[in-house]
Amino acid sequence: QKEVEQNSGPLSVPEGAIASLNCTYSDRGSQSFFWYRQYSGKSPELIMFIYSNGDKEDGRFTAQLNKASQYVSLLIRDSQPSDSATYLCAGSGNQFYFGTGTSLTVIP
Amino acid sequence: DTGVSQNPRHKITKRGQNVTFRCDPISEHNRLYWYRQTLGQGPEFLTYFQNEAQLEKSRLLSDRFSAERPKGSFSTLEIQRTEQGDSAMYLCASSPDRDTNEKLFFGSGTQLSVL
Repeated sequence: QKEVEQNSGPLSVPEGAIASLNCTYSDRGSQSFFWYRQYSGKSPELIMFIYSNGDKEDGRFTAQLNKASQYVSLLIRDSQPSDSATYLCAGSGNQFYFGTGTSLTVIP
Repeated sequence: DTGVSQNPRHKITKRGQNVTFRCDPISEHNRLYWYRQTLGQGPEFLTYFQNEAQLEKSRLLSDRFSAERPKGSFSTLEIQRTEQGDSAMYLCASSPDRDTNEKLFFGSGTQLSVL
């Protein structure tokens, strides 16, 4: 069974710091990986996706993929209180499979 | 409105009753997925459709659950004889065909409470 493992946290960082979220996956055949942000009581919102080894940057967000190590990460630079949410890592096979999420709190 | 739409937003029912949820995907998306999420957990896959064909169903899914997408547009998820353990957020999501860089977009979800 395809699995994604995340450190459930909670992770707390001060405003302006870099938040680092990590994820490992079990299926070497998975090609695509995604980071979703989920506010309490809301549905997941796609914020980053990555298909190739290396880094992908979008604004304050950088996704990193290392297929040899089966490792995906998300860096949030200049963290803001509005970034406080649960971050879900997901992989894509026949269907999308999700980790349990990491709770992030950005302290003003 | 170009997003995924789900109705109702909230549903409270008594144990043993049947409930049905509706999902309208993004119009040009051929794939439609149903997930279930409980507090502190990630979304759990239930089933998905490619157009009107149901291609995969979770082995963990009880026979009390059934989903349809009769014309390849909207979908319904029915739970028969609800149990308290069915209480969860039911999420619908859609994506374009796999040949494009597939991304999953979620609706707002239906929160089910079984009393």
